Amino acid sequence: GDSVTQTEGLVTLTEGLPVMLNCTYQSTYSPFLFWYVQHLNEAPKLLLKSFTDNKRPEHQGFHATLHKSSSSFHLQKSSAQLSDSALYYCALSDHNNAGAKLTFGGGTRLTVRP
Amino acid sequence: GALVYQYPRRTICKSGTSMRMECQAVGFQATSVAWYRQSPQKTFELIALSTVNSAIKYEQNFTQEKFPISHPNLSFSSMTVLNAYLEDRGLYLCGARTKNTLYFGAGTRLSVL
Repeated sequence: GDSVTQTEGLVTLTEGLPVMLNCTYQSTYSPFLFWYVQHLNEAPKLLLKSFTDNKRPEHQGFHATLHKSSSSFHLQKSSAQLSDSALYYCALSDHNNAGAKLTFGGGTRLTVRP
Repeated sequence: GALVYQYPRRTICKSGTSMRMECQAVGFQATSVAWYRQSPQKTFELIALSTVNSAIKYEQNFTQEKFPISHPNLSFSSMTVLNAYLEDRGLYLCGARTKNTLYFGAGTRLSVL
């Protein structure tokens, strides 16, 4: 079955430093990949999703590149901000369910310190 | 992004009682609605996937008898948690799908006494 792995459960870094949150996946077919961000006491919000045409999605300074060869969709940002502190989930859906049935990774809690 | 409204935001019910939660897609038509539960440990469980004019598909460990879902049109869905017990606690999220993307509502947080 499908699976998503986020190797880091906790990431702490200083404001202004680059961010990279890892996400690798296993899927029988070429899936859609997503990053959701969840702030404290809020629901997950869509941050990024993969495109089928190899474009690199960007939002709020974050970007992620889908690498089919390595089955990865790492989340990156050049300079962390205090407001980036949140839970980040990588998720995938196969083309049959096309965004409806998501398989989530375990999540990475990002803490940005002054 | 698309807006999904869930009601109520929080609810407390006595053990063995039931509660109903609602999900409304605002300004768009959701081709599918997925109900998830996020545990206190922050893991996600898919409860069921509902597509209008198709049978609702429940995941393993979740049943229609326990979590009946109504999905009468492309913008509204409701789910009831019947006979709620402590293990049913958590944040219940409604995700409405449009353009191959799932947008979540703010969730209904269920506490059981």
